[in-house]
Amino acid sequence: DQQVKQNSPSLSVQEGRISILNCDYTNSMFDYFLWYKKYPAEGPTFLISISSIKDKNEDGRFTVFLNKSAKHLSLHIVPSQPGDSAVYFCAASAPYGQNFVFGPGTRLSVLP
Amino acid sequence: EAGVTQFPSHSVIEKGQTVTLRCDPISGHDNLYWYRRVMGKEIKFLLHFVKESKQDESGMPNNRFLAERTGGTYSTLKVQPAELEDSGVYFCASSQPTSALTDTQYFGPGTRLTVL
Repeated sequence: DQQVKQNSPSLSVQEGRISILNCDYTNSMFDYFLWYKKYPAEGPTFLISISSIKDKNEDGRFTVFLNKSAKHLSLHIVPSQPGDSAVYFCAASAPYGQNFVFGPGTRLSVLP
Repeated sequence: EAGVTQFPSHSVIEKGQTVTLRCDPISGHDNLYWYRRVMGKEIKFLLHFVKESKQDESGMPNNRFLAERTGGTYSTLKVQPAELEDSGVYFCASSQPTSALTDTQYFGPGTRLTVL
């Protein structure tokens, strides 16, 4: 049973528009969440994180929103650029847990 | 600063053979993790070293998998004997403990293992 779900396997958006990637989790013990970006033939690269004490974290074009009551988080990319095309993984961990549980990933394609 | 490196980048072996994957973490990182992604599915945790000690090996699928980190530097993951379902991409990640509850892990490029 997947504890971290990314229900959209793929997403296409136009360059300059907003990309919204969603992630849902089932384990209420998770309190730290990360987004990783992965290009083909490369390892995942850390993008942005959020702790459960916050509901929003922003870093440049990337913003992560956390809704604890809904066990839902989302990654917003504004404006989207062609270089953002990659697979995005949502990951979560429990308090003092060092091991991340990953979602299956969403492939984002930003069209020029 | 060099990132996490993994060797080899690809490995193709026959069922029943042995393969050893190597990971060199970022210099000075005490934490080292192994993950794998099978059949394009989610990335799953295998085990976690703190220096040379196994902190958590709950994700290791069976006793055909053996991980070591002698000296607390690089790590090896041996699969013996390999089975068809072991095919996938094996990622290594490392992190350095901070005051935060959870450390950001830096991933290597992965080793793609194909078992025929």
